[in-house]
Amino acid sequence: DTGVSQNPRHKITKRGQNVTFRCDPISEHNRLYWYRQTLGQGPEFLTYFQNEAQLEKSRLLSDRFSAERPKGSFSTLEIQRTEQGDSAMYLCASSLGSLADGYTFGSGTRLTVV
Amino acid sequence: AQRVTQPEKLLSVFKGAPVELKCNYSYSGSPELFWYVQYSRQRLQLLLRHISRESIKGFTADLNKGETSFHLKKPFAQEEDSAMYYCALREANTGNQFYFGTGTSLTVIP
Repeated sequence: DTGVSQNPRHKITKRGQNVTFRCDPISEHNRLYWYRQTLGQGPEFLTYFQNEAQLEKSRLLSDRFSAERPKGSFSTLEIQRTEQGDSAMYLCASSLGSLADGYTFGSGTRLTVV
Repeated sequence: AQRVTQPEKLLSVFKGAPVELKCNYSYSGSPELFWYVQYSRQRLQLLLRHISRESIKGFTADLNKGETSFHLKKPFAQEEDSAMYYCALREANTGNQFYFGTGTSLTVIP
């Protein structure tokens, strides 16, 4: 296990299409997070899972966004009917227990909506 | 509401010079402050956290509750310190998310 893995690394899609990203956290980490980062900004929180339960969602996560973590291991983030404003880097992170030690981030998936 | 402010988007210093990356926060509860770093073509990684009062790669940061600041300092900058630095805040003990600043891009000139 070499860390948090995200696929794909890059995704270019046409406006209106649906896209799905995958995150594989560090295997023993029970907490998983999704963040979005747009150009010139820091990462912004989207949602958080503890095991398979989605415990927190940001208001940034509109109805077009849905995230799952069905077996408490990998997670998927789906965006339906993509818009140009969805273009961003989507970051996944994981942690074990307390956040006092911070997260381990993945390399991210860069989405470009044309 | 902007919780974490990093006033400098870009900062350039010469090798061997002191460096200070500024971070101010606005939070009514009990915050924990962190610095994350992203080197070129690498993932975002934790640099240090205020609760451990540690020095990592020569960097230190002191939480100043009176000035609501958590500035990152290093007495002698090295070329390998060139990177993007993000200050981040979470609510102590209960917070499940980090609030990140907009980042400061540090360039150390040889």
